[in-house]
Amino acid sequence: AQSVTQLGSHVSVSEGALVLLRCNYSSSVPPYLFWYVQYPNQGLQLLLKYTSAATLVKGINGFEAEFKKSETSFHLTKPSAHMSDAAEYFCAVSPPNTGNQFYFGTGTSLTVIP
Amino acid sequence: KAGVTQTPRYLIKTRGQQVTLSCSPISGHRSVSWYQQTPGQGLQFLFEYFSETQRNKGNFPGRFSGRQFSNSRSEMNVSTLELGDSALYLCASRASASGYNEQFFGPGTRLTVL
Repeated sequence: AQSVTQLGSHVSVSEGALVLLRCNYSSSVPPYLFWYVQYPNQGLQLLLKYTSAATLVKGINGFEAEFKKSETSFHLTKPSAHMSDAAEYFCAVSPPNTGNQFYFGTGTSLTVIP
Repeated sequence: KAGVTQTPRYLIKTRGQQVTLSCSPISGHRSVSWYQQTPGQGLQFLFEYFSETQRNKGNFPGRFSGRQFSNSRSEMNVSTLELGDSALYLCASRASASGYNEQFFGPGTRLTVL
């Protein structure tokens, strides 16, 4: 079965501090991986995606994520948090052997403390 | 290009009624997926359509149905509404059904069932 686990439903960081949001997946084959962000009362916006090219992926708004096959992880990081980063973040996988259906994690709510 | 549009944005219905939600994908996108988002259950996959055919289906009762038209626009219908159907319904489109392609989300339709 395919699944995505996001550790920590709520994460708080101080403005200027490192942001680390965790995502682990289970898949029998290396999947495609995505991070999305959702601001209040809006749809989801793609931050970045991994499609088996470089393992370190850079996205929008200064975010990046590293694919680690040995750890089945795809954690999202940003060196310095801004107040505008406060939002809900979702990790998603699309395993090639499942008809490319998207599976989303339960989300992590990021709070940035001034 | 215009993004994914969903109509209506807000909807209030009473138990037992039925509702139809509409989604217009990004021009040229042939795949449309629907998700239900609630605070307790997170993002749950309803179904995906590609070229007017349902490709994948989530674990929802038969009261939830959908269709896709030849111009790729999609509708989802919920019959005999229940209080638990109150949610944000998100539509997402992608260029093809390949997992390589990210999904682009609309702003959602907020359904309230009284």
